[in-house]
Amino acid sequence: SQKIEQNSEALNIQEGKTATLTCNYTNYSPAYLQWYRQDPGRGPVFLLLIRENEKEKRKERLKVTFDTTLKQSLFHITASQPADSATYLCALDEAGFQKLVFGTGTRLLVSP
Amino acid sequence: DTEVTQTPKHLVMGMTNKKSLKCEQHMGHRAMYWYKQKAKKPPELMFVYSYEKLSINESVPSRFSPECPNSSLLNLHLHALQPEDSALYLCASSQGQGATGELFFGEGSRLTVL
Repeated sequence: SQKIEQNSEALNIQEGKTATLTCNYTNYSPAYLQWYRQDPGRGPVFLLLIRENEKEKRKERLKVTFDTTLKQSLFHITASQPADSATYLCALDEAGFQKLVFGTGTRLLVSP
Repeated sequence: DTEVTQTPKHLVMGMTNKKSLKCEQHMGHRAMYWYKQKAKKPPELMFVYSYEKLSINESVPSRFSPECPNSSLLNLHLHALQPEDSALYLCASSQGQGATGELFFGEGSRLTVL
């Protein structure tokens, strides 16, 4: 069956450290993988998109890697801040862009 | 601030009521989506409209009826819902097929079915 799995446990880190979140998928062959941030009671907000032929993408303090052999994406937040505390969702396309399927999400807590 | 506007933000309805959720975007996007999200779960796709035509229906029960009156508006009509339909309903839009695929989400409509 198809699965998109992220760390089910909350990730607790100290301010200033690098947070690394994992997204593993099975029985998908995505052309793209996206990461979103979601705060409680609000809609997800797009962060980054990486294509299957890209190994790494960066945006400010964010970095995403995409390994289609391992079927895994890693999402890094460097110099983390308490304001980075949120749930982070990976998502990938199925049957083209119009069907975006979300992973289970990881809650990140950054302590001062 | 999101550029996708959803109303109402909160809705409480009985199982015999008929209500509608509304979504509006003015970014010129040609694809619009409804997702359902239960607590501590990821969003689940319900419907996709592309160029005002329904292109994906994820086997959603007929008590949920989507409508796309024009390229800026998306409605979700609700009738005879069950308590298990209580959830956050998220509307999203994107530039359409062949674009980057980035979705812009609204803040959601929190639905409670009594």
